[in-house]
Amino acid sequence: QKEVEQDPGPLSVPEGAIVSLNCTYSNSAFQYFMWYRQYSRKGPELLMYTYSSGNKEDGRFTAQVDKSSKYISLFIRDSQPSDSATYLCAMSTTGNQFYFGTGTSLTVIP
Amino acid sequence: GAVVSQHPSWVICKSGTSVKIECRSLDFQATTMFWYRQFPKQSLMLMATSNEGSKATYEQGVEKDKFLINHASLTLSTLTVTSAHPEDSSFYICSARVRWSTSGELFFGEGSRLTVL
Repeated sequence: QKEVEQDPGPLSVPEGAIVSLNCTYSNSAFQYFMWYRQYSRKGPELLMYTYSSGNKEDGRFTAQVDKSSKYISLFIRDSQPSDSATYLCAMSTTGNQFYFGTGTSLTVIP
Repeated sequence: GAVVSQHPSWVICKSGTSVKIECRSLDFQATTMFWYRQFPKQSLMLMATSNEGSKATYEQGVEKDKFLINHASLTLSTLTVTSAHPEDSSFYICSARVRWSTSGELFFGEGSRLTVL
């Protein structure tokens, strides 16, 4: 079983839709959770960072961590064509070793 | 925010030559930097963990004599692909943790696309 599971998609939504991206994990010791956005031929860009459980909101983005279910989510409200990218989840126990999902490819159609 | 700069962003070289890729943390010190390789439509594959002032730790299956990593300062790590061959063509990305950070945040460079002819 992989440490982190992420549906690769692809996911295609109309502009303005709410997007839900998810990852599940098996290691209950993970305490640092991150979402990255990666445009084609670019390095990943840190979007959201959460420590332990709970929600975090930043503009149109909301990150949720449910440690009891070992499940994290990223919600994008009022999606825009510029949100079209691959979204990677990442997790760590101590911040010394990181585990990544395979990435979900998102296309927002104008 | 924390910025990681990677250079060059793309490079084309002949088979048999060596290529050096630099990874710099611009506004913070990084005790630890990571080097990844990414194939098209695939996730990041960790190659090695680079610690300032010590030898890099390579992942299983990564040839340390092929991919030389040097982390000489708290703001610079380099990856040298020695005697490059077409199968080494890939997208190489570095990332860095802020020194003494307890937050666990990891910041990535822009990536370097290597094409070996």
